Amino acid sequence: DGGITQSPKYLFRKEGQNVTLSCEQNLNHDAMYWYRQDPGQGLRLIYYSQIVNDFQKGDIAEGYSVSREKKESFPLTVTSAQKNPTAFYLCASEIPGADTQYFGPGTRLTVL
Amino acid sequence: GENVEQHPSTLSVQEGDSAVIKCTYSDSASNYFPWYKQELGKGPQLIIDIRSNVGEKKDQRIAVTLNKTAKHFSLHITETQPEDSAVYFCAASSGNQGGKLIFGQGTELSVKP
Repeated sequence: DGGITQSPKYLFRKEGQNVTLSCEQNLNHDAMYWYRQDPGQGLRLIYYSQIVNDFQKGDIAEGYSVSREKKESFPLTVTSAQKNPTAFYLCASEIPGADTQYFGPGTRLTVL
Repeated sequence: GENVEQHPSTLSVQEGDSAVIKCTYSDSASNYFPWYKQELGKGPQLIIDIRSNVGEKKDQRIAVTLNKTAKHFSLHITETQPEDSAVYFCAASSGNQGGKLIFGQGTELSVKP
């Protein structure tokens, strides 16, 4: 997991609530990514940011929002508009110019 | 669109045997191909990667081969051990979106003692 931390490890949400997942890295990486993983499936890209104060939508951005105010931090908010938010969420950061991504330990979100 | 196909979805081998996982990609501009190992409940861990200017790369019991003409690459694990049991993902870089990786669906490897 290197220098990437995600919190909390487990998160429970009631329907209709927004929740924010934390991702922090101390690797001095410029680019950061958020992925969603469902059981038995690969990783799908939600949002990514290649530099502070800039971010782009990935393949499944609907119902999610992000911010990138600091290089070290890339929080993900799962909004009430996300129809099926129960999943395992993974954050990654990338060595500048190398395409190599390193992942955090993940947050498992369950909607009750 | 960009796509990575990974086979097989499950693989069971005896301890000491070799395991091979194969991936094909669609984007001819892809030039970076990492492999990740994911244990239950944890984040994926990079185990080996290869770039398009290289045909093969080895790291102890793990090797990756790349055939750019055919657009496929493979992970080879020799002398498998029970601790190799995990889900393995391949990925290919996107040719038109710097840094973006396209992931395969994963292979669940089981090594039986």
